[in-house]
Amino acid sequence: GENVEQHPSTLSVQEGDSAVIKCTYSDSASNYFPWYKQELGKRPQLIIDIRSNVGEKKDQRIAVTLNKTAKHFSLHITETQPEDSAVYFCAASDGGGYNKLIFGAGTRLAVHP
Amino acid sequence: EAQVTQNPRYLITVTGKKLTVTCSQNMNHEYMSWYRQDPGLGLRQIYYSMNVEVTDKGDVPEGYKVSRKEKRNFPLILESPSPNQTSLYFCASSFATSGYEQYFGPGTRLTVT
Repeated sequence: GENVEQHPSTLSVQEGDSAVIKCTYSDSASNYFPWYKQELGKRPQLIIDIRSNVGEKKDQRIAVTLNKTAKHFSLHITETQPEDSAVYFCAASDGGGYNKLIFGAGTRLAVHP
Repeated sequence: EAQVTQNPRYLITVTGKKLTVTCSQNMNHEYMSWYRQDPGLGLRQIYYSMNVEVTDKGDVPEGYKVSRKEKRNFPLILESPSPNQTSLYFCASSFATSGYEQYFGPGTRLTVT
């Protein structure tokens, strides 16, 4: 079955710096790759996603890139702000065509003022 | 308002005392899923359902049961809870086809003593 690995597990940056979180997946049939943000004590919420027919997607300060050949995808946050501090999860769809997601272990991002 | 609800939000119980955590969604979603979240392990899927009367095991199903008698409800049942089931539980729902956002409930923090 699908396996998703996420790195790093913790990331500390200064306000204004960029942050990059990387994930790899194992199932070449996966076609949907969402990223969720979980603030302390809250539920995970979708922040950006990308489908396998697209190499890059951007939404204001966040962007996601996908390399299907290498089976890895990354989240990029530019001009980080303290409110970006949270746990970020990547996920990959199960290759069966349904919306079953396999999640990475999460990255705890701390943005210091 | 489109939402996923869970009850109870917090529960402290004793080993062996059967309990049910309810999950309900009002978005007419076919797909529903239960995850448990433990530090350093991310979101691990317990059970999922593709539609009414269709359920399947996720990655960590031992000690749990589910049912899907109605489209909107997907209860999680712990027949004989044990301390290793102490965790934060999330229900999620989405449309069944790959590529749709999964909406998470607010979470249920369960402690088994």
